[in-house]
Amino acid sequence: DTEVTQTPKHLVMGMTNKKSLKCEQHMGHRAMYWYKQKAKKPPELMFVYSYEKLSINESVPSRFSPECPNSSLLNLHLHALQPEDSALYLCASSQGRVVHYGYTFGSGTRLTVV
Amino acid sequence: AQSVTQLDSHVSVSEGTPVLLRCNYSSSYSPSLFWYVQHPNKGLQLLLKYTSAATLVKGINGFEAEFKKSETSFHLTKPSAHMSDAAEYFCVVRRTSGTYKYIFGTGTRLKVLA
Repeated sequence: DTEVTQTPKHLVMGMTNKKSLKCEQHMGHRAMYWYKQKAKKPPELMFVYSYEKLSINESVPSRFSPECPNSSLLNLHLHALQPEDSALYLCASSQGRVVHYGYTFGSGTRLTVV
Repeated sequence: AQSVTQLDSHVSVSEGTPVLLRCNYSSSYSPSLFWYVQHPNKGLQLLLKYTSAATLVKGINGFEAEFKKSETSFHLTKPSAHMSDAAEYFCVVRRTSGTYKYIFGTGTRLKVLA
């Protein structure tokens, strides 16, 4: 299995809702990432997990809460989002700390906040 | 500090003609460089990577890139464009001060004309 699977593919949520994005990989990768991508822009790093521990938080607002329950799963919990949070949310994984292997990206969750 | 510049925001080519997407980088150390492709509403796919081995790097789908230290360039080429190559392409450099971080270029939109 050489894929990163993200669910759901599309999500529409109100500003008072709580929802979660899910990411799963079975490649034995020990680093996992959340990226946010706005239209016609490159991805922006949000969080990095290494060996199931949060390594980097790129000053992301607390309405985004990541969780790594095990080495294969990464969640992003969403609460009280704003319309400007609408974007494509990408999950990626890599072989541990040595990023020069490159990332494997999922297809993303298209999030719309109304 | 590392940085990457994609010199063209849009490139149009006719099907069957060569493709050239330009990328210049800035790095104090020997860089790790990558090209990723993103088709509409999809995640990013690794095309190829340079990690200080051969300077001419061959990737998937007939793409290749040449690392030129003297020109600080890592241009992406393909001899003959196919309609399916129409996508957004990102040149990426890995930061040397934080092993997890990629620095993305702003992207080049490739259009392939029939």
